[in-house]
Amino acid sequence: DQQVKQNSPSLSVQEGRISILNCDYTNSMFDYFLWYKKYPAEGPTFLISISSIKDKNEDGRFTVFLNKSAKHLSLHIVPSQPGDSAVYFCAARSNFGNEKLTFGTGTRLTIIP
Amino acid sequence: DVKVTQSSRYLVKRTGEKVFLECVQDMDHENMFWYRQDPGLGLRLIYYSFDVKDINKGEISDGYSVSRQAQAKFSLSLESAIPNQTALYFCATRELGQQTYEQYFGPGTRLTVT
Repeated sequence: DQQVKQNSPSLSVQEGRISILNCDYTNSMFDYFLWYKKYPAEGPTFLISISSIKDKNEDGRFTVFLNKSAKHLSLHIVPSQPGDSAVYFCAARSNFGNEKLTFGTGTRLTIIP
Repeated sequence: DVKVTQSSRYLVKRTGEKVFLECVQDMDHENMFWYRQDPGLGLRLIYYSFDVKDINKGEISDGYSVSRQAQAKFSLSLESAIPNQTALYFCATRELGQQTYEQYFGPGTRLTVT
């Protein structure tokens, strides 16, 4: 049972435009959400996160939006740059007493120059 | 910066061979994790440890074992490797109490079982 879903395996966006990556979850016990970025031959690196008590968190070109009623979060990158080409994973943490993260399947973002 | 080191970047093993993957971190983080990544399946948790005396199974622990030799070391073993264990393996760490729940990942080990 995939509790965190990224339904788009890949996305291509023109340089300078907005990239929107989506993530849906099913577990209502998730209370913290993270986005990771992964380049080939490297481990995932943390990008941005959001607590379930907020609906938006912004860090430079990156903004994460959380819609709890829809159990949906999205990552906006604007403007998109070639260095943003990578695989993006969303992850969620349950408040049920442990520190594990549940990861989505990933979306490969390609920025077209 | 946290540094997470994995003992091998690439490994090729035959079916039935033993595999040992070592992970070392330089920040003495309490929490350590082993994940595997497969195409289309994302990152799945194999085992995790919250301190030296604590080991817990993740969602796909069958066929794997771990040991936490020290606060900084967490090793993953495959006693008898099989081809469907061919995957990319990542070790990760987290500082207990860190409010962002961020985990720091190693560079990964690409294991091929023939």
